[in-house]
Amino acid sequence: KQEVTQIPAALSVPEGENLVLNCSFTDSAIYNLQWFRQDPGKGLTSLLLIQSSQREQTSGRLNASLDKSSGRSTLYIAASQPGDSATYLCAVHSIGANSKLTFGKGITLSVRP
Amino acid sequence: NAGVTQTPKFQVLKTGQSMTLQCAQDMNHEYMSWYRQDPGMGLRLIHYSVGAGITDQGEVPNGYNVSRSTTEDFPLRLLSAAPSQTSVYFCASSPLDREFYGYTFGSGTRLTVV
Repeated sequence: KQEVTQIPAALSVPEGENLVLNCSFTDSAIYNLQWFRQDPGKGLTSLLLIQSSQREQTSGRLNASLDKSSGRSTLYIAASQPGDSATYLCAVHSIGANSKLTFGKGITLSVRP
Repeated sequence: NAGVTQTPKFQVLKTGQSMTLQCAQDMNHEYMSWYRQDPGMGLRLIHYSVGAGITDQGEVPNGYNVSRSTTEDFPLRLLSAAPSQTSVYFCASSPLDREFYGYTFGSGTRLTVV
């Protein structure tokens, strides 16, 4: 059974800091891994998707990496801003799981002005 | 392009009442699914569908029914609401070529059962 872990559960950093959010998973047989952002009381917004054959994806100040062999992904946020404050969720789409995404519990990020 | 649309956004039900949460997508995605999000539990899969006429159970299906008569719509029915079904419900869709495309989520329905 796939399990996805995100540690720590919460993180507070000063504005301008570069930061890394970690995600680990137990089964490397995956189609892809997706990072989402969720603002309080809102839905999930897809940030980046990394296919199983890829090592990283970039969008603006965000860079996500994937190491299937070690079961790890990281989301790098450059020059953090207060507007980056949100919960970041990692989700793994496992092969043979019939469309099931397995989510981590998320990391709640607070960027202090 | 509307993406995934969920209605209603908020709902309060009394214990024992039934209701249907609506989900529609306009991207011609084959896969659709329902998740619930609870504090400390993360998102858990309720039911999913791989195409019109085909549905299957996820991790937490009890108390919920689904059907998929069209590609666009995937309603979730609560048969007899219970306080344990108080949650935020998300609908998601994905195309057939799922290795290359991720999931698109709706904005959610916040349900309270009293």
